[in-house]
Amino acid sequence: GQNIDQPTEMTATEGAIVQINCTYQTSGFNGLFWYQQHAGEAPTFLSYNVLDGLEEKGRFSSFLSRSKGYSYLLLKELQMKDSASYLCAVRDANYQLIWGAGTKLIIKP
Amino acid sequence: ETGVTQTPRHLVMGMTNKKSLKCEQHLGHNAMYWYKQSAKKPLELMFVYSLEERVENNSVPSRFSPECPNSSHLFLHLHTLQPEDSALYLCASSQAGSTSGANVLTFGAGSRLTVL
Repeated sequence: GQNIDQPTEMTATEGAIVQINCTYQTSGFNGLFWYQQHAGEAPTFLSYNVLDGLEEKGRFSSFLSRSKGYSYLLLKELQMKDSASYLCAVRDANYQLIWGAGTKLIIKP
Repeated sequence: ETGVTQTPRHLVMGMTNKKSLKCEQHLGHNAMYWYKQSAKKPLELMFVYSLEERVENNSVPSRFSPECPNSSHLFLHLHTLQPEDSALYLCASSQAGSTSGANVLTFGAGSRLTVL
């Protein structure tokens, strides 16, 4: 079966750096997505990786290793507003999105 | 109004009620989706409409009935639901047809459904 694994919950301190990992086993690979979802709000698109390496976008970066079935989302200079759930999703060989259960990130002052 | 709008935001219904969830997108997208989001579980794809035709129905019980009258509107009709159907129902849209590039989903804020 197809599976996406990410930690259920993480805690970090304001101003610090946090890395949220995502490992996947899917039938084929056509890209990996990260979404952010604040409580009671819509998931919003953060990043897309289809080739190995690091994609940087401001305070957020996303890394992909296709050979290892692994990605991470790196958040720098954490702010209280970064408290949210972070969803990892992989598009498989049939272009279907396989979702992880999300990582709830709690930022403490 | 821009983006994807869902109404109502909250709905409480009994098991014998009939209600509908509405989704509207103002992005010019040609594909729309219904997802179910339960606590600590992955998003579950329920229905996909591309160019107003249903292209996927992931073994969803018949008590959920989708309707897509045009490319901007999507409904989910609810009838004789069970308490385990209580969840957040998310609508999303995208520009379908391209198998290259990100083809990012844009989500609405969801309708929180409670079945008593």
